[in-house]
Amino acid sequence: DVKVTQSSRYLVKRTGEKVFLECVQDMDHENMFWYRQDPGLGLRLIYFSYDVKMKEKGDIPEGYSVSREKKERFSLILESASTNQTSMYLCASSARGDGELFFGEGSRLTVL
Amino acid sequence: ILNVEQSPQSLHVQEGDSTNFTCSFPSSNFYALHWYRWETAKSPEALFVMTLNGDEKKKGRISATLNTKEGYSYLYIKGSQPEDSATYLCAFTGYNNNDMRFGAGTRLTVKP
Repeated sequence: DVKVTQSSRYLVKRTGEKVFLECVQDMDHENMFWYRQDPGLGLRLIYFSYDVKMKEKGDIPEGYSVSREKKERFSLILESASTNQTSMYLCASSARGDGELFFGEGSRLTVL
Repeated sequence: ILNVEQSPQSLHVQEGDSTNFTCSFPSSNFYALHWYRWETAKSPEALFVMTLNGDEKKKGRISATLNTKEGYSYLYIKGSQPEDSATYLCAFTGYNNNDMRFGAGTRLTVKP
């Protein structure tokens, strides 16, 4: 059963903390994505990656960074968490040229 | 930023009703249009991917159509059931992009 696994379903952090959200896929997909989902706004793209060590900014990269050291793993980093980063974060992967996204179950982050 | 619009934002129907909702997207530079279904506490799952103008796809009671020239897609559900309750997301991929841009979704609630 193919999977995208996100490390934490629920996190509570304090303002200013560094936060790591990890995502691992077992489908050997080239593309990986981080989205955040907020009520009424749908899924907004933060960063994506075509390949190992490659990254591209999405629509809302400010306050975030990413790391892709291995093909199967794509990490989202909040260097200094702020309350406006309270959200649901979804990781997804896709094969090159196919486009269909496979999603993780999401990580709900609350920043106090 | 590419605008993908979905309407209505939410919809409440009775079991057995048929329903439909709309996704509009930029008609230029079109590559693919995806529909995803997102049930509460689960990962979004792909329903359809459509690439050709006039495409019609069907999966059980759910079907979708695509008009790339005018930039819209309809999703139809025939004889809605409570288990159809979910948020339905559409997503657009442009020809030169590897990322996928989502609409805000239509939240469907089917009452028994």
